[in-house]
Amino acid sequence: EVQLLESGGGLVQPGGSLRLSCAASGFTFTNYAMSWVRQAPGKGLEWVSIISGSGGNTYYADSVKGRFTISRDNSKNTLYVQMNSLRAEDTAVYYCAKSQTDRYCTGGACYFPPWFDPWGQGTLVTVSS
Amino acid sequence: QSVLTQPPSASGTPGQRVTISCSGSSSNIVRYYVYWYQQLPGTAPKLLIYRNNQRPSGVPDRFSGSKSGTSASLAISGLRSEDEAEYYCAVWDDRLGGPVFGGGTKLTVL
Repeated sequence: EVQLLESGGGLVQPGGSLRLSCAASGFTFTNYAMSWVRQAPGKGLEWVSIISGSGGNTYYADSVKGRFTISRDNSKNTLYVQMNSLRAEDTAVYYCAKSQTDRYCTGGACYFPPWFDPWGQGTLVTVSS
Repeated sequence: QSVLTQPPSASGTPGQRVTISCSGSSSNIVRYYVYWYQQLPGTAPKLLIYRNNQRPSGVPDRFSGSKSGTSASLAISGLRSEDEAEYYCAVWDDRLGGPVFGGGTKLTVL
């Protein structure tokens, strides 16, 4: 059974940093892209970042580009996101999700389908003074 | 405001058929597969439909997806009380250079 367990959430002051982890089990971790998706309180889903199975390709939403860094340790079956310069608007439940595919490339263009299954239970990040 | 537009709410009575729309553009829905997620209250999202109209194992055939041009739809037939949830469409968007979710549709079973 595939399991994803996020950790590392908590209360942090504006401008601060936090690193989230997602421990994966039940599948060959290195074969699958992994993603972070967040949900602000009472709001919809927002894709944050995705990383290919090898870790060699990463994509970010404009809202976090330059502040968040996604990474993975395939020897530990663990996904990370380092979040710096945190803002109040980063307050959200952060979910990690397994992508059912890796990156597709065709005609010189590459993309990651938003085919996320399953999702972890989420970890809450609150940015407040 | 998302590049994918969903109605904020939908409703139906038990046994009815309900459809939820997802409107996009040439940079997303036209070119790429659409995915649908169900989020029950207080839980993580769950994949409901992949590649426009495919159901993962375990998802009842009451749920179906379709796509035409710049729009996609999720249909739920034989509505049940346990279908009351938030539903999201998702697709890759070339202009944003990443996946994007619709704003979500809250389905109420009356």
